[in-house]
Amino acid sequence: KAGVTQTPRYLIKTRGQQVTLSCSPISGHRSVSWYQQTPGQGLQFLFEYFSETQRNKGNFPGRFSGRQFSNSRSEMNVSTLELGDSALYLCASSFLDSGELFFGEGSRLTVL
Amino acid sequence: KNEVEQSPQNLTAQEGEFITINCSYSVGISALHWLQQHPGGGIVSLFMLSSGKKKHGRLIATINIQEKHSSLHITASHPRDSAVYICAVPMYSGGGADGLTFGKGTHLIIQP
Repeated sequence: KAGVTQTPRYLIKTRGQQVTLSCSPISGHRSVSWYQQTPGQGLQFLFEYFSETQRNKGNFPGRFSGRQFSNSRSEMNVSTLELGDSALYLCASSFLDSGELFFGEGSRLTVL
Repeated sequence: KNEVEQSPQNLTAQEGEFITINCSYSVGISALHWLQQHPGGGIVSLFMLSSGKKKHGRLIATINIQEKHSSLHITASHPRDSAVYICAVPMYSGGGADGLTFGKGTHLIIQP
């Protein structure tokens, strides 16, 4: 059974650009959640989707957005990138909306 | 909003020692997650528990809902257990739409 797949794994952007990250959950999982990890703040919750609906959002500015498609794949977008957006972005999927989490390897974003 | 405290922040032990990592939270929850992160970023879910105790191999997790406290134990520790261990709980009351809030992690090093 394939795990959670995140693409791209690494990317470098400059300030002001935008970025889109993709997450393909484990087959059959309908919940996808996104997290940001930085050395200073640790892991922080970004948002969660279940059956194409955003169910909750963390304390991040509106530049951070996401969506989920009918096949449960999810994307997150960060517009007008800032240096502080440099981080490891992780997604996780679960079968139930509050179930065990299965994490992808993450997308490491560097903003120059 | 739930606050999570983990201790110790750093722990170095010798191979074979019994390891205990603690997690306390401030708001009653439906379930608590223990996660493991190896260098390089990948996160693995070790346990999700809402009461009592769970065991998987040499790992044991316990939770005391009344005291709002959980512990992760590693028996017969091995250098491959070296990783960051992170506790996570729902941000609020644990309803189906909650995101997670994370402890800062315990950096564990097991020396041969």
